[in-house]
Amino acid sequence: NAGVTQTPKFQVLKTGQSMTLQCAQDMNHEYMSWYRQDPGMGLRLIHYSVGAGITDQGEVPNGYNVSRSTTEDFPLRLLSAAPSQTSVYFCASSYSGPQGNTEAFFGQGTRLTVV
Amino acid sequence: DAKTTQPNSMESNEEEPVHLPCNHSTISGTDYIHWYRQLPSQGPEYVIHGLTSNVNNRMASLAIAEDRKSSTLILHRATLRDAAVYYCILPSGYSTLTFGKGTMLLVSP
Repeated sequence: NAGVTQTPKFQVLKTGQSMTLQCAQDMNHEYMSWYRQDPGMGLRLIHYSVGAGITDQGEVPNGYNVSRSTTEDFPLRLLSAAPSQTSVYFCASSYSGPQGNTEAFFGQGTRLTVV
Repeated sequence: DAKTTQPNSMESNEEEPVHLPCNHSTISGTDYIHWYRQLPSQGPEYVIHGLTSNVNNRMASLAIAEDRKSSTLILHRATLRDAAVYYCILPSGYSTLTFGKGTMLLVSP
C-alpha cells in the first residue's frame, strides 16, 4: 500500500515554463487536495477535489490548474512558472466521511525552484 | 476553519511527557479537533483527532476541555523522533485543513 505518491521530488524550472506535478493515491479516497508550504510557514490550500470531475479553489489558486479525471490521480499544473511559486508542494487525500471526522494522508512533497 | 492558538515552541527532555496546548475559543459544536505533525523535510502526518471525549491512540493522547475551548496533545514519553512542528487544526468543509505556524517541539537527549 503506497499511500499518496508525489512525483517528481525535486524540480527546477525557468520563469515562464509550465509543468505538471503528479499526485496519486491508492486508498480509494474521494477527497484530494494540494497545498504549498513556503519557508517557515504553514501549509496553504491551493485547490481541492471532492471526487472525480469535481474541483474547487482554495486559498491561493492563482497560477495553478487542476483536474480530476480519476479517483486515483490529481495533477497540479503550473501554467507559466514564476519565482513566487518556488515552494514545497504537498498533495493530500482523505475519505469523504462526516465533516472533520477523517484523517488526511500526505505525500512526501515536491520541492520546486523557479529561477 | 475556526482559529487556533498555539505556542511557537516548546522544549522537552527525552523520555519525559510533553503537553502541547491549543486554544480554540471560537470552536463550534460540530468542529472536530485534529492534530498533525511535520517532521523535518517530510509531509504532515496525522496524529489524533477528537470531538468531545478524550482520545488515545498508539502515538498520543488528546485531552479536550469540557467547554471544548482548548485541548492538549499529550506525548507520554518523548523521543528524539518526536521533534517536529505540531499543528492543531479544526477542519471544515470537505476536510480541507488550515495550517497555522504550529508549535515546534524540541527534544533534548
